[in-house]
Amino acid sequence: EAGVAQSPRYKIIEKRQSVAFWCNPISGHATLYWYQQILGQGPKLLIQFQNNGVVDDSQLPKDRFSAERLKGVDSTLKIQPAKLEDSAVYLCASRRPGTGFYEQYFGPGTRLTVT
Amino acid sequence: SQQGEEDPQALSIQEGENATMNCSYKTSINNLQWYRQNSGRGLVHLILIRSNEREKHSGRLRVTLDTSKKSSSLLITASRAADTASYFCATDAGMNTGKLIFGQGTTLQVKP
Repeated sequence: EAGVAQSPRYKIIEKRQSVAFWCNPISGHATLYWYQQILGQGPKLLIQFQNNGVVDDSQLPKDRFSAERLKGVDSTLKIQPAKLEDSAVYLCASRRPGTGFYEQYFGPGTRLTVT
Repeated sequence: SQQGEEDPQALSIQEGENATMNCSYKTSINNLQWYRQNSGRGLVHLILIRSNEREKHSGRLRVTLDTSKKSSSLLITASRAADTASYFCATDAGMNTGKLIFGQGTTLQVKP
């Protein structure tokens, strides 16, 4: 089966600019996650969707970050305006539906550099 | 916030040796998972151990879980250069959301 797709793979922007990332999860995976991974750290969950509804966005900086998953399939994460500290890899992951013991499948990530 | 702390932060061994990484966490869990990350393949799931399990094996991997000590260990036996990567533990608190909290990771270098 095809994996989680993300684009772009790399993005360089100046501070105060805006940027958007796209993710297409594995077909049939109802749960989608966006993570931020700063160099040298583990991934930190930003937002979790179940179909097109938000399950958890407690760690999303809502003054500058937004995310949507309108049709319950692909998703976009936007940063506006970007700050230097937003430089990180943004990972998208998906998980099969249900409450069983399931792992997450990760995309290759988008490496963002804010200058 | 990060729940897990991993030890050591970095580990360097020779090919053929065993590598052991430890993970400690703070709150009750439903299951604990280990992931590997390298530049070539991104973040990949390795193994999942449920809270009622104490040990699990998968190929050259052995994971233990001690819920009384809130700790887990990952053992890679007969390591290979291809095992060079960062390894992360991730805890699932079991809120039926599948939400994972990742540790800081252990960077493993296996020298040929």
